[in-house]
Amino acid sequence: AQSVSQHNHHVILSEAASLELGCNYSYGGTVNLFWYVQYPGQHLQLLLKYFSGDPLVKGIKGFEAEFIKSKFSFNLRKPSVQWSDTAEYFCAVNPTGTASKLTFGTGTRLQVTL
Amino acid sequence: GAVVSQHPSRVICKSGTSVKIECRSLDFQATTMFWYRQFPKQSLMLMATSNEGSKATYEQGVEKDKFLINHASLTLSTLTVTSAHPEDSSFYICSAVGQVGSGYTFGSGTRLTVV
Repeated sequence: AQSVSQHNHHVILSEAASLELGCNYSYGGTVNLFWYVQYPGQHLQLLLKYFSGDPLVKGIKGFEAEFIKSKFSFNLRKPSVQWSDTAEYFCAVNPTGTASKLTFGTGTRLQVTL
Repeated sequence: GAVVSQHPSRVICKSGTSVKIECRSLDFQATTMFWYRQFPKQSLMLMATSNEGSKATYEQGVEKDKFLINHASLTLSTLTVTSAHPEDSSFYICSAVGQVGSGYTFGSGTRLTVV
């Protein structure tokens, strides 16, 4: 079974600071990788996803993530965060080729201060 | 884009009663729906996977007789929490998938409080 680790549980940044949230997964085969965001009081929204191809994936709102297969990592980055990026961020994986269940990491709470 | 409607958004019920939560895919046919539970400040824990017209597959440790899942059509899945107790209070989220590769769409969640 697959598992996902997010080592940063709570991150506090000032506006305009750069962001990198770690995500590592464990699985014996190939996977699809996702980052979701959950703004306070709202539902999960997809930021970006990786299925295959270019390991550097660009998503919405200026976010990007890089899949490094050798490190089993899919870290999320943003060059300059905004106060509105304050939210909970979840990394998730599922085996490729199937509409199978997503396994989520424990989430990272990002707090951006003015 | 794909939209999943989940109702109710909030429900308070008395201990011992049952609560039904609906999850509808509004503009696509959902061959598979997933039900998650999210505890405060924690991740989403998958409870069960439901495929239209077949019995749901429950994750280990989830009581199938307590959390009844019905996926009677390609646009509707329901989760019924039977004989609810305060420890069932949580945030329940559904997710729907259409064709393979179409991605997952999440409902807005249901906050259940059992008093």
